[in-house]
Amino acid sequence: DQQVKQNSPSLSVQEGRISILNCDYTNSMFDYFLWYKKYPAEGPTFLISISSIKDKNEDGRFTVFLNKSAKHLSLHIVPSQPGDSAVYFCAVRAGTALIFGKGTTLSVSS
Amino acid sequence: AAGVIQSPRHLIKEKRETATLKCYPIPRHDTVYWYQQGPGQDPQFLISFYEKMQSDKGSIPDRFSAQQFSDYHSELNMSSLELGDSALYFCASSPTPKGEQYFGPGTRLTVT
Repeated sequence: DQQVKQNSPSLSVQEGRISILNCDYTNSMFDYFLWYKKYPAEGPTFLISISSIKDKNEDGRFTVFLNKSAKHLSLHIVPSQPGDSAVYFCAVRAGTALIFGKGTTLSVSS
Repeated sequence: AAGVIQSPRHLIKEKRETATLKCYPIPRHDTVYWYQQGPGQDPQFLISFYEKMQSDKGSIPDRFSAQQFSDYHSELNMSSLELGDSALYFCASSPTPKGEQYFGPGTRLTVT
């Protein structure tokens, strides 16, 4: 059973607008959450993370929100740029391993 | 900045052959992880090493083995290859066992 779910396989946004990518997880014991971006033929690139003791973490255009009661996190990208077009993976840390969602393909049009 | 290096980038093998994938972590990173990503799938954790000792094990088949050497590079050895082993194999490294993981570009293994 998928422990990390990204229910939207794809998202299309216009340049300059906000992109919101969502992720749900099943285990309330998970305590560290990450977002990775992946371009074709490259490895995942670390974007931003959040610990379960926080509900928000911001880094430039990227903000991650964590709702522990709902077991839900989201990544906001503001403003979106065409270069942000990629596959975004949500991940949770389990021991030393990462468990990934299936990814959301973001397309930002100019 | 130096990144994780993986070699080879592409590898074609036949069924029942063996393959060895290599990973060179970012300098001063002592923890290495291996992941397998099948077509259209998310990366699946295989195994990790910290200070040359296996630290965690995921869904790694018994036909696969891995180790981390004294210079912290790691090798993933795959034997009796099957068609289903065709995938992207990513190595990642981190400065601590629970730090952010930085991924290499991957090795694309094709088994024919």
